[in-house]
Amino acid sequence: DTGVSQDPRHKITKRGQNVTFRCDPISEHNRLYWYRQTLGQGPEFLTYFQNEAQLEKSRLLSDRFSAERPKGSFSTLEIQRTEQGDSAMYLCASSPARQNTGELFFGEGSRLTVL
Amino acid sequence: SQKIEQNSEALNIQEGKTATLTCNYTNYSPAYLQWYRQDPGRGPVFLLLIRENEKEKRKERLKVTFDTTLKQSLFHITASQPADSATYLCALDIRSNYQLIWGAGTKLIIKP
Repeated sequence: DTGVSQDPRHKITKRGQNVTFRCDPISEHNRLYWYRQTLGQGPEFLTYFQNEAQLEKSRLLSDRFSAERPKGSFSTLEIQRTEQGDSAMYLCASSPARQNTGELFFGEGSRLTVL
Repeated sequence: SQKIEQNSEALNIQEGKTATLTCNYTNYSPAYLQWYRQDPGRGPVFLLLIRENEKEKRKERLKVTFDTTLKQSLFHITASQPADSATYLCALDIRSNYQLIWGAGTKLIIKP
């Protein structure tokens, strides 16, 4: 399967700990997105990369959140000093280009539970 | 204020009937509108995209309409099957900041 891969699928952590999620996009896709989704809500945009450049970051994202895509391939999303309000599904998506369909290809998500 | 609304109540449909889901928006001018399917604990899966200058788009048993005057999209599943049970999300592409703006989704339940 050459779809978007996310790891880990589930993470339980204690408040105050740091967590890191990894996303491997579809190999030929140069655009990569991180979204957060809570129960009963649609995905909420966090950040966007085109190749290795982080071109957009949500104003809702606090300084505790950081994302990287060092070689324009896989990406990591780190949350420092986690809070209970960070509990959510973190979704990664990729796309080849904006000119065509604009369709996003999502991974299965990483579910974070902060105790 | 800008917002997107989808039916917040679950939609229960008898197998074989047509399911119709709505997506209403205010104060946006989307270039595209997309529909996704999401199963519990899984990521959304793209279904259809419709452009602002298109009235209707079809794919197999799926049909999407887009009325930019009413600021509404309708998503239809004909000959519905229990396997169509899922949450359906609409998303607006406003050609700004590389984001899609998402509705909260409507849960569809197809009863055998």
